[in-house]
Amino acid sequence: DTEVTQTPKHLVMGMTNKKSLKCEQHMGHRAMYWYKQKAKKPPELMFVYSYEKLSINESVPSRFSPECPNSSLLNLHLHALQPEDSALYLCASSRITGQDYPSSGANVLTFGAGSRLTVL
Amino acid sequence: AQKVTQAQTEISVVEKEDVTLDCVYETRDTTYYLFWYKQPPSGELVFLIRRNSFDEQNEISGRYSWNFQKSTSSFNFTITASQVVDSAVYFCALSEWMDSSYKLIFGSGTRLLVRP
Repeated sequence: DTEVTQTPKHLVMGMTNKKSLKCEQHMGHRAMYWYKQKAKKPPELMFVYSYEKLSINESVPSRFSPECPNSSLLNLHLHALQPEDSALYLCASSRITGQDYPSSGANVLTFGAGSRLTVL
Repeated sequence: AQKVTQAQTEISVVEKEDVTLDCVYETRDTTYYLFWYKQPPSGELVFLIRRNSFDEQNEISGRYSWNFQKSTSSFNFTITASQVVDSAVYFCALSEWMDSSYKLIFGSGTRLLVRP
């Protein structure tokens, strides 16, 4: 079983809907990430939270709104999405070592199984 | 800019064959990290290995082995005696210090199909 749990596994929404993706980990990791993966493409970084604070936003449109309510949870709020936003959304977590704060990009990431989003 | 190239889009082998997945990277930095991740059909990426730029020692883990050569900027991955369960997409990734943080960049991935 994966140690990073994502819900829901599948989500279909209209362009006017508001929905949220959830991610949970209990490994004590203090960095959490959202990645977007289109079909047959590599994952693309969207956001990084370090110590529950947003440390990296890769110029993601405001219709995606991340939230990290505590060290174990990460949400991605979705509003007014477009069909081209349909993709697999992957959550990941990692330790933070002093040398690579705030991104933790040098650390090993533990990924969840993803939430497959379809926007109609 | 940093870049990771996985020139093999898809590879198909018969079970028990050996297979090598190529990874070539570009970086301006002397300190960086290289990774391999496996993505089975279930979706989650599974960590396989991390190497820092100062550790050129090759590594073997069971049927998996990695050949890191800084002279050719390559970090190739070999599966010996492949099995059907090895079928997945494999991503090579580079983490380099940029803009005051480490950024992880994935290659385009190689889809491996192991046929029984």
